[in-house]
Amino acid sequence: GAVVSQHPSWVICKSGTSVKIECRSLDFQATTMFWYRQFPKQSLMLMATSNEGSKATYEQGVEKDKFLINHASLTLSTLTVTSAHPEDSSFYICSARDYSRSGTDTQYFGPGTRLTVL
Amino acid sequence: AQSVTQLGSHVSVSEGALVLLRCNYSSSVPPYLFWYVQYPNQGLQLLLKYTTGATLVKGINGFEAEFKKSETSFHLTKPSAHMSDAAEYFCAVTKAAGNKLTFGGGTRVLVKP
Repeated sequence: GAVVSQHPSWVICKSGTSVKIECRSLDFQATTMFWYRQFPKQSLMLMATSNEGSKATYEQGVEKDKFLINHASLTLSTLTVTSAHPEDSSFYICSARDYSRSGTDTQYFGPGTRLTVL
Repeated sequence: AQSVTQLGSHVSVSEGALVLLRCNYSSSVPPYLFWYVQYPNQGLQLLLKYTTGATLVKGINGFEAEFKKSETSFHLTKPSAHMSDAAEYFCAVTKAAGNKLTFGGGTRVLVKP
């Protein structure tokens, strides 16, 4: 199956700093990627939809100035958590839409990035 | 708007017993339905999906699910649980393939020896 990677897998940062998380589709081109957030023992909540070459679409209640998304190429989307605070600590998961493989239209998920803000 | 309800946040089964995870959805258009599994500190792995056609869908690791439109359900089953099935399971819905997913609350499965 298609592979989506995330980097880093774990990150610890100090309060007030910014953290960048990368999401890459390794063997297919993804015009659309999605960013989800998962709190401990909870479900995934969609944060935003990232489209290559255009601005991301944020879900209601998600601060676009705090969670900066850039989708500069067909294989890379980045999520930057700006001025991170402890309440931003969470598990961030991306998915990438594969629209070309075998005529199917499927989302593939990355392994997630655990962010801890001290 | 779409929504997904998973009945039971925790399910405990004995090894070899039937696994049944319940999922009910709400959608204003014909839904695309998914089941994913998540192991600790990992991303999501697709177990199976329903888009169109046959309502009984077979997935990986011996799991299957049946789409019942009249009941707005998409329950996941496995005839015989293995210890390796212990994980968190998520049901999800979308209105079109490749669109954003709406997830249920998840069901954590514990398998007892």
